[in-house]
Amino acid sequence: QKEVEQNSGPLSVPEGAIASLNCTYSDRGSQSFFWYRQYSGKSPELIMFIYSNGDKEDGRFTAQLNKASQYVSLLIRDSQPSDSATYLCAVDQNTNAGKSTFGDGTTLTVKP
Amino acid sequence: GAGVSQSPSNKVTEKGKDVELRCDPISGHTALYWYRQSLGQGLEFLIYFQGNSAPDKSGLPSDRFSAERTGGSVSTLTIQRTQQEDSAVYLCASSLSVARRYNEQFFGPGTRLTVL
Repeated sequence: QKEVEQNSGPLSVPEGAIASLNCTYSDRGSQSFFWYRQYSGKSPELIMFIYSNGDKEDGRFTAQLNKASQYVSLLIRDSQPSDSATYLCAVDQNTNAGKSTFGDGTTLTVKP
Repeated sequence: GAGVSQSPSNKVTEKGKDVELRCDPISGHTALYWYRQSLGQGLEFLIYFQGNSAPDKSGLPSDRFSAERTGGSVSTLTIQRTQQEDSAVYLCASSLSVARRYNEQFFGPGTRLTVL
């Protein structure tokens, strides 16, 4: 079992729809959770982080965390073609501060 | 301000040669990370530094890989006797500190290594 798992996709949604990206993790002691966006041929860039159970909203993005279920998700409202990218989930392990474990990413395509 | 920089941006080498990859973190960032990303894959953790110290080297694939950081700033990743399976994009990232609860990492543009 991978430490951080994501649906590889590809996930395709029409423009204006809600895109839902999911991530599960195995280390129950994990404390910090990050979503990075990576455009093709580019480096990852941080778009959201969350550490408390519940929802965290930033513009069109909402991160949701459920530590009991070891599940974190990213919702993108009013999806735009410019949101088409690979989204990487990263988890900070409680036992090894400083080491973030990344999932393999979910590729999202937003169709005009 | 300047972001994380890496050099070279591209490196083509022959199997068996040694290569050095360089990373300049954001000024003031004490933590520095190296990752490897193969085509279409996620990020594979290699090593991280807090200051000049590397508490976790568990991600280095073999003893051909080594990394150092001097002066709490620039880091060099060295791959000796390169193999074709070493071909990948090597990404460097930095953050304010591993002690921060929010370990927000800022990535450099990467070095694309091709081993012929």
